Amino acid sequence: QVQLVQSGAEVKKPGASVKVSCKTSGFPFTTHYIHWVRQAPGQGLEWVGQIFPSNGATFFAQKFRGRVTMTRDTSTSTIYLDLSSLRSDDTAIYYCAREGWYGGPTKHFDFWAQGTLVTVSS
Amino acid sequence: QSALTQPASVSGSPGQSITISCTGTSSDVGAYKYVSWYQQHPGKAPKLMIYDVSYRPSGVSDRFSGSKSGNTASLTISGLQAEDEADYYCCSYTRSDTPYVFGTGTTVTVL
Repeated sequence: QVQLVQSGAEVKKPGASVKVSCKTSGFPFTTHYIHWVRQAPGQGLEWVGQIFPSNGATFFAQKFRGRVTMTRDTSTSTIYLDLSSLRSDDTAIYYCAREGWYGGPTKHFDFWAQGTLVTVSS
Repeated sequence: QSALTQPASVSGSPGQSITISCTGTSSDVGAYKYVSWYQQHPGKAPKLMIYDVSYRPSGVSDRFSGSKSGNTASLTISGLQAEDEADYYCCSYTRSDTPYVFGTGTTVTVL
């Protein structure tokens, strides 16, 4: 069955970087975009960016460009989110989610991981 | 890119029907069929309920339905049940340089 499992909670100081992993299984790793979506405490969902595991191509929300990197390890079917220059308002749960694929990308997120809480605090 | 506008809360009694609106612009909701809806229970990850405006994934109850008119999409829950109490978010693909935008979220309360 399709599964996405993220790494555990992180606590970082302002200005530091954080790396969150998303291990996938149960589907072909290279044929589905993987997205990252975050949710600040008590707030709504916010799209961060996407990666296409087949070739590593990425695209990020405008507000995160220059601070975010997404990479993949095809040997372990794992996606990584790197966010640098952390600020207190980066405190959020970060989710990875799979985009559906029906002969092409579907523009919706059909499976989600459990989320990783990243806390930025001095 | 501003978030899509949803009512903060909607409530209904068991068995009733409720509708949640999701208002965007001609650059997002009005431009594409790619509107999806997600249900989120407290402390849980979002769950896909509707995609491409009105399609239900396998396993989602047919009490959930979606539609769109112009720049506004809607999610209707019929035969409201206690388990439907959750937050609901719409999402649309957009023409902007940030290709996905979520709604502000709606808390559904079953009275």
